Parts: sequence; structure tokens; C-alpha cells
Amino acid sequence: QSALTQPASVSGSPGQSITISCTGTSSDVGGYNYVSWYQQHPGKAPKLMIYDVSNRPSGVSNRFSGSKSGNTASLTISGLQAEDEADYYCSSYTSSSTVSYVFGTGTKVTVL
Amino acid sequence: EVQLVESGGGLVKPGGSLRLSCAASGFTFSSYSMNWVRQAPGKGLEWVSSISSSSSYIYYADSVKGRFTISRDNAKNSLYLQMNSLRAEDTAVYYCARDLRMAAAGTLGGYWGQGTLVTVSS
Repeated sequence: QSALTQPASVSGSPGQSITISCTGTSSDVGGYNYVSWYQQHPGKAPKLMIYDVSNRPSGVSNRFSGSKSGNTASLTISGLQAEDEADYYCSSYTSSSTVSYVFGTGTKVTVL
Repeated sequence: EVQLVESGGGLVKPGGSLRLSCAASGFTFSSYSMNWVRQAPGKGLEWVSSISSSSSYIYYADSVKGRFTISRDNAKNSLYLQMNSLRAEDTAVYYCARDLRMAAAGTLGGYWGQGTLVTVSS
């Protein structure tokens, strides 16, 4: 159950677009369309931003979008805003050893 | 409004035990799979365990298998995590999380509690 690989940090200026990658294997990201993305502000619980690779829950800004190609999923934040500064984690359903879930290593997004 | 409230965290010595609880409200608890996710201080999220709506299916991360037991009481709208043989590396904030959808796997974190801190130290 190895963690999915994310860049440690990504930064951008207000109004810009940034993309966070999430690389796994054919047993998780590549094998299922069950990739989720979570936003976590310091001291707070995670919040679901994207599910099933590219779907947004009700109430989440359409500035957040998700996609997947092979074993790599991506989260794009367009029109970057100060409030987007947070940690972001991807997650995937996996059947690598038993049915379970695996999270990414996490990415710190900084708004310059 | 969906609410998940964890309790039971605290300071425990290595080798000790602790039982976490998660009180759920605002939805039909018996219809959803539930999960525990933890986060060590300054570290990332780690899936710990999942339990199906009727407790028929239970899964654990390798790191806790044989030491932790997940359970639920649908009559009391409550989720539990019994943690035995605790180690220093189990120190973390433990979150209770509800599956996004009924009877469909894939997204374990539709809703989250605020977390409860477990510290394992002598």
C-alpha cells in the first residue's frame, strides 16, 4: 500500500492556473475511475473537492477540475485565489493487497 | 446537515489501548459505509479502516491489521475504532469519514468529522 506520488509544493500568482499531479499504478489510479481530491487548510478536516476523477460535489467552485491519463491523475485550479492556499491530497480506490484506499503524499499550494 | 463528531482520543502509553467513537447525525447512518483516516503531526493522510453499512465487509491498512478493530452500532448511529497494542507511530489525529454515496464504493471522504488526537507516549 504505497502512497500515491504528488509534488511536495506548487505555487502560482492570483488568477493563474496550476496543476497538481498524482501518480499511482495500474492497481489504483490506472485501474479505477475512483480518484478523489481533498483540500485541507491548517488545523481543519479535509474537504472533498473532486470525486470519480472529474466530478465536483455540490458547492465546490468550478475553478477546480480533475482528469486522468493512465496511472496519473491531475487536479487543476484555475483563477487561483488566496483562499486556495492549502494542502491538497489525492486518493484512489485500490485492490493492490485488499480492497482499500490509498492517499497521495500531499501537495502544498502557495498563492504568491 | 451531516455531522460527524469523534471522541475518545487522549494520551496513552505504548502497548496500551484506546477506543475511539464517532457519533453521526443528519443522515441515515445505516445506509453508508464508514471509514477511519489518520494524520500524524505534520504528515499526510493515511487510510486506516473501512466498514460497510451492515458490517459485512471490513478492511484494514496493513499498518494496523491485527491491532485495530473497526465496528459500528447502527441503532446508536455510531462508529468505533478499538485500538490495541498502540505504538508511538500511531500518534495522529483520527478522522471519521462517511462514504460519499450509499451502496457504492470509491469515495471514502464525502464528509469528515473534526478529528480526535491520539498521542502514544511514555
